[in-house]
Amino acid sequence: GAGVSQSPSNKVTEKGKDVELRCDPISGHTALYWYRQRLGQGLEFLIYFQGNSAPDKSGLPSDRFSAERTGESVSTLTIQRTQQEDSAVYLCASSRPAGGEQFFGPGTRLTVL
Amino acid sequence: AQTVTQSQPEMSVQEAETVTLSCTYDTSENNYYLFWYKQPPSRQMILVIRQEAYKQQNATENRFSVNFQKAAKSFSLKISDSQLGDTAMYFCALTHGANSKLTFGKGITLSVRP
Repeated sequence: GAGVSQSPSNKVTEKGKDVELRCDPISGHTALYWYRQRLGQGLEFLIYFQGNSAPDKSGLPSDRFSAERTGESVSTLTIQRTQQEDSAVYLCASSRPAGGEQFFGPGTRLTVL
Repeated sequence: AQTVTQSQPEMSVQEAETVTLSCTYDTSENNYYLFWYKQPPSRQMILVIRQEAYKQQNATENRFSVNFQKAAKSFSLKISDSQLGDTAMYFCALTHGANSKLTFGKGITLSVRP
């Protein structure tokens, strides 16, 4: 398919464990975004990658959260020492170099027990 | 800082009727874009319609249209001839320029009754 893909679809983990979430953007999209959606809420911005520029990390809620992206390819969002409040759907989006429209993946639902 | 406010948590409409979803926003920028996204139970965020702030003409996409009032910082979505498949959460969102983070409202749950 040509859309944004994310894996895993669902992840259940125990409090204190580390988790890694993956996002595959649409080919040719230089911009990549991570958002968090808590139950019944809107999306909160986490981090933004644009090509080889330094990422905008201003939305990361704590130093337990980090993300990487190599070039214009896959990105991984890592949450260390997970807490119950980290339970949410994590959505990834990508956009063309000059476009404002962001295309979203299906998200990863993270449940921390 | 920019904010997006959706004050109605939920709405219901009869199939084939028209419904309007409200959204207000605040930004100090002159160049920005406004969006309405739909999120059905599948979780997939789907773009419904977009509006460039510099355009005075209201955007229209088939049954979906917006009422963009720039001075009032209001951006409402009108859905005409509502269909059962329109049942979803709808989010209003704002971004500044191209390739910039989206700021979302809390969303509104729309139910279309048969």
